[in-house]
Amino acid sequence: GDSVTQMEGPVTLSEEAFLTINCTYTATGYPSLFWYVQYPGEGLQLLLKATKADDKGSNKGFEATYRKETTSFHLEKGSVQVSDSAVYFCALTLSGGSYIPTFGRGTSLIVHP
Amino acid sequence: GAGVSQTPSNKVTEKGKYVELRCDPISGHTALYWYRQSLGQGPEFLIYFQGTGAADDSGLPNDRFFAVRPEGSVSTLKIQRTERGDSAVYLCASSLTTLPETQYFGPGTRLLVL
Repeated sequence: GDSVTQMEGPVTLSEEAFLTINCTYTATGYPSLFWYVQYPGEGLQLLLKATKADDKGSNKGFEATYRKETTSFHLEKGSVQVSDSAVYFCALTLSGGSYIPTFGRGTSLIVHP
Repeated sequence: GAGVSQTPSNKVTEKGKYVELRCDPISGHTALYWYRQSLGQGPEFLIYFQGTGAADDSGLPNDRFFAVRPEGSVSTLKIQRTERGDSAVYLCASSLTTLPETQYFGPGTRLLVL
């Protein structure tokens, strides 16, 4: 079935370090891809999305590029802040099918001052 | 305006008991979703309402789980004869459309079955 695989956490970085969180997917069709973020004590919220190959989603300094050839959607940020500490979830939905997201297991990011 | 709210925020119960979890969606949102998030896992879809009716309940794990939305706003997730494996965070989301990027999530109810 359709699935999303994320790198295991926690990812621990110092402030201003470069961030990469890997995400790969398996899907039978042409999925849309998403990154969600869950800050401590808050609800899950959409961070960015890409709906077709080679699209780049970006928001709040984060970006991810939809790579069909490697079935990947890695999340990157050039300089993380303490306030970026959260759990990040990669997800997909299938075009033409249900719009219910299939989520990865999440990657915890801890940023130290 | 107010976001999606869920009550209680935490619920501890004993194996075999019945529990109800409540979701108050954003006013005017016709779509409502329930997810379950087990420890160390991502959210897993349970059920989706469009208005008062369950449009997709394919994620409900078994017949101990049931959800209602009688007036098309507040929804209640009901779990009968709880088991320790039901322990998880139960998330609710609501949206105006079916597009996933428009879903607004609540903070969740953390259920612990002893």
